[in-house]
Parts: sequence; C-alpha cells; structure tokens
Amino acid sequence: GQNIDQPTEMTATEGAIVQINCTYQTSGFNGLFWYQQHAGEAPTFLSYNVLDGLEEKGRFSSFLSRSKGYSYLLLKELQMKDSASYLCAVRDSNYQLIWGAGTKLIIKP
Amino acid sequence: IAGITQAPTSQILAAGRRMTLRCTQDMRHNAMYWYRQDLGLGLRLIHYSNTAGTTGKGEVPDGYSVSRANTDDFPLTLASAVPSQTSVYFCASSPGGEGEQFFGPGTRLTVL
Repeated sequence: GQNIDQPTEMTATEGAIVQINCTYQTSGFNGLFWYQQHAGEAPTFLSYNVLDGLEEKGRFSSFLSRSKGYSYLLLKELQMKDSASYLCAVRDSNYQLIWGAGTKLIIKP
Repeated sequence: IAGITQAPTSQILAAGRRMTLRCTQDMRHNAMYWYRQDLGLGLRLIHYSNTAGTTGKGEVPDGYSVSRANTDDFPLTLASAVPSQTSVYFCASSPGGEGEQFFGPGTRLTVL
C-alpha cells in the first residue's frame, strides 16, 4: 500500500528553527509537495521537490532523498504566524497526490 | 471570482438527503479534484477530472458522483447522504496533471 508518515505534532519557540520530517512509500514517484494549512483554512502550496537535494525559498527550505524515501521541511526564524499544519504529499505513478495526515506545528513565544 | 470558490461554506444535512457541493474556478485549469479531510487522516481523493468531459475515481469514491460539463465547474453530488460522509470537503485545481494544486476554501458538511 501507499503510505506517507509525518509526526503528528511538534512544538518550537519563536525565532528558532524547526525541521518537519516526512517518509513515504508509494507506487512510483513524480515529485513531493509541502503545503501549509492554517486551522479552518485551505491548504496552500509551499514547495516542490522532484530531484534530490535542497530547495530554498526564503525562510522555508525543503529537502528530498528519493533513495531513502525521505523529505524534510525546514522553517527558520520562526514567527507566530507559522503556527499551522504542514502537509506532505507525494505524486504517484498515476500523477495523483498521496497525502500525509499533516504535522501540527505549535509556536511558543 | 478569483481562484476557486466553493458553496455552501457549511451545511447540516439529514441522512438520506441528496446534496450537491459546488466548485467553480476561473483560472482555466484543466484538472480538478475533490478531497475530503477528516481529523487524523490525510486528504483523501474522492474524484478527479483531468479535462472537461472526463472524470475518474479516486481513493474513496463510493457514495459520491461528479460531472465536468465545462472547464470551470466541478460539482460533487452525494446521492443519499450518510453520517460517515460528515467531513470537510475541498475542491482543488491544477493547470494539468503536473504542477501544484490550488485549493478552494472548503465546505464543512455534517450529516445527521
């Protein structure tokens, strides 16, 4: 079966750095996405990785290792507004997205 | 209209009733999707459409139907609602099979 694993919840301090991990087992791989979802709102796109390595976009970076079935999202200089759920999704061989359950990130002052 | 809209925002429905959730996008995207989101679970694909006139089944299609008569609209119908269909429903679109998906604001549906 297809499976995306990420921690259920993480807590971090304002101004710090946090790394959210995602491991996957899917039928085929055509890219990995990270989305942010604030409570009661729709998911919004953060990053996309299809090749191994690090993609940096401002305070957010995403890393992919296809051989390990592993990705992480790195958030730097945390702000209170970063409190949200972070969703990892893999596009499979049918070009459909398989979603993890999401990691709820709590930022404390 | 800017992006994707969904209607209604929320709905309480009696079991056995028929209900259509509406989704409209103005980005001229070819592909559209319907997901449900339940606590503790990832988004699960109900149905999708790669282009106007075609539809396909996702992971959890039972009890739901869709149509795609034109590029902009992708309604989701529950023929006879059951309590297990209580969920938050998101419509999404993308330019094609590749590329990021853009999400509507969601419909919170409660079936009693």
